[in-house]
Amino acid sequence: DQQVKQNSPSLSVQEGRISILNCDYTNSMFDYFLWYKKYPAEGPTFLISISSIKDKNEDGRFTVFLNKSAKHLSLHIVPSQPGDSAVYFCAARTSGGSNYKLTFGKGTLLTVNP
Amino acid sequence: GAGVSQTPSNKVTEKGKYVELRCDPISGHTALYWYRQSLGQGPEFLIYFQGTGAADDSGLPNDRFFAVRPEGSVSTLKIQRTERGDSAVYLCASSRSGQGLNNVLTFGAGSRLTVL
Repeated sequence: DQQVKQNSPSLSVQEGRISILNCDYTNSMFDYFLWYKKYPAEGPTFLISISSIKDKNEDGRFTVFLNKSAKHLSLHIVPSQPGDSAVYFCAARTSGGSNYKLTFGKGTLLTVNP
Repeated sequence: GAGVSQTPSNKVTEKGKYVELRCDPISGHTALYWYRQSLGQGPEFLIYFQGTGAADDSGLPNDRFFAVRPEGSVSTLKIQRTERGDSAVYLCASSRSGQGLNNVLTFGAGSRLTVL
């Protein structure tokens, strides 16, 4: 049972345009969400996060939006750059006893074309 | 060290053999995690250490899998009687405390295990 879903396995975007990566979750106990970025042959690296008490968090070119009622979040990258080409994982956790445990989606491969 | 170091980076073994995968976390990080990433999937939680003890091993798939962290630093993931289904990338991560909203995991590059 996939509690965190990334329904788009891949996304292709032109350099300079906006990239929007989507993520849905089913577990209503999740209250903290993270995006990780992964290049080939490297481990995932933390990109940006958002707590469920907020609906938006921005860091430079990266913005994460959270819609709690829809159990949906999205990562916006503006403007997209070729170096952003990577697999992006959405992850979620609770604030309860297992708050150390991340549940990941399957990832979305973003390709930014020059 | 500066990051999380995992060895070997690649391991090919035969079905039924025993395998050890090593993780050297960031110095000073008390929390250490093992995740497994199978082909086409996201990382899946295996086990969490707080110091020397396994605080949560609920993600270990069966009793062929075992992990230790005897001195609260380096950890070894041990897999007995390997099966083809064990083929995956095994990711280790560490974090400063394991708790709190700012508990961000830093991952290593992983150990790719292939069981023939």
